[in-house]
Amino acid sequence: DQQVKQNSPSLSVQEGRISILNCDYTNSMFDYFLWYKKYPAEGPTFLISISSIKDKNEDGRFTVFLNKSAKHLSLHIVPSQPGDSAVYFCAASVDYKLSFGAGTTVTVRA
Amino acid sequence: NAGVTQTPKFQVLKTGQSMTLQCAQDMNHNSMYWYRQDPGMGLRLIYYSASEGTTDKGEVPNGYNVSRLNKREFSLRLESAAPSQTSVYFCASASSAKGEAFFGQGTRLTVV
Repeated sequence: DQQVKQNSPSLSVQEGRISILNCDYTNSMFDYFLWYKKYPAEGPTFLISISSIKDKNEDGRFTVFLNKSAKHLSLHIVPSQPGDSAVYFCAASVDYKLSFGAGTTVTVRA
Repeated sequence: NAGVTQTPKFQVLKTGQSMTLQCAQDMNHNSMYWYRQDPGMGLRLIYYSASEGTTDKGEVPNGYNVSRLNKREFSLRLESAAPSQTSVYFCASASSAKGEAFFGQGTRLTVV
């Protein structure tokens, strides 16, 4: 029973435009939400996180939004760059248990 | 800095063979994790250890065992490998419950 869901397997976006990645979760006990980025043949790397008591966190080109009532979070990347082409995983944590979604492959077109 | 080191990087096993995947971290992190990555399934948690001396089942623990040998090392054992365990395995560690984890490079395991 996957508690973190990413329903869009892929996203294609033009360089310079906004990328919006979405994630839904079912466990209301999660207290931290995170996004990770993964390149082929490498391990995932942490990108940005948000506490369950906040609704927005920004770090440079990356902004994460949390809507607790809808159990939904999103990652905005503005502007998108070619180096952003990767797989993005949504994750959520409670009591040290860190669960991931299935991932969204982002392709940034020149 | 080495970070999280996994060995081996590649392994081919025959059905029924056993093996242990090793993981070590040098960041003095309390919690450690084992995941498997399969196409379309994302990263699925096998086992985790919130601190030295404790281990807990994740989402897909069947067919696996783990040992938190000390604060640095967390191993994953397949007692009798099955083709369904063909996957890429990742080890990770984190300093807190917030989930900001560091991952190893992965072990690509094929069971034939």
